[in-house]
Amino acid sequence: QVQLVQSGAEVKKPGASVKVSCKASGYTFTSYDINWVRQATGQGLEWMGWMNPNSGNTGYAQKFQGRVTMTRNTSISTAYMELSSLRSEDTAVYYCARRWVGIDSSGSLQDAFDIWGQGTMVTVSS
Amino acid sequence: QSVLTQPPSASGTPGQRVTISCSGSSSNIGSNTVNWYQQLPGTAPKLLIYSNNQRPSGVPDRFSGSKSGTSASLAISGLQSEDEADYYCAAWDDSLNGQNWVFGGGTKLTVL
Repeated sequence: QVQLVQSGAEVKKPGASVKVSCKASGYTFTSYDINWVRQATGQGLEWMGWMNPNSGNTGYAQKFQGRVTMTRNTSISTAYMELSSLRSEDTAVYYCARRWVGIDSSGSLQDAFDIWGQGTMVTVSS
Repeated sequence: QSVLTQPPSASGTPGQRVTISCSGSSSNIGSNTVNWYQQLPGTAPKLLIYSNNQRPSGVPDRFSGSKSGTSASLAISGLQSEDEADYYCAAWDDSLNGQNWVFGGGTKLTVL
């Protein structure tokens, strides 16, 4: 089935970097953008950016520019999100999500995150 | 501080109809479609409504969405205990700050 499976929980010290992976299966990895969304405990969803697995092109939310890097390895259908200069406020669950853009069977435009990974908890603590 | 504004909480009894609002601006809801996500406790978000009012395969028709101007709404009829979850609206935003996906702060739905 179509799914995104993320890497396991991480504990990092302030100032360090973390790299989270997101492995796609059940569909053609290069056909859909991968987006990253994070959620601090008890808080809402925050979009971080996108990556086109085919071209490698990326777009980042202004808040994370300079600190986030999104890459991919098409040979293993895996996307990566690396966040550097970690601080305590970066403690959150990080999700990857597939962006489906197209026309559905009723002729309606679909532009949404239709498949989500299970989430990766990143804890930043000294 | 979310770009889209939702009420923090909503509630209803089984069988009731509840609505959740989502307010934005001309740069997001006013010019792009709205999606809704359901997040059950301890799980990843799930796409519930896309393109303002379309349901993905498998989503019950008890869930419906609408949009007017710069606001959108999610309605849940025949409320069930398993509907207890957090609900988020989302839209693409084209503003001076660049192009971003923006979310509402989320609405926690309690089934009494």
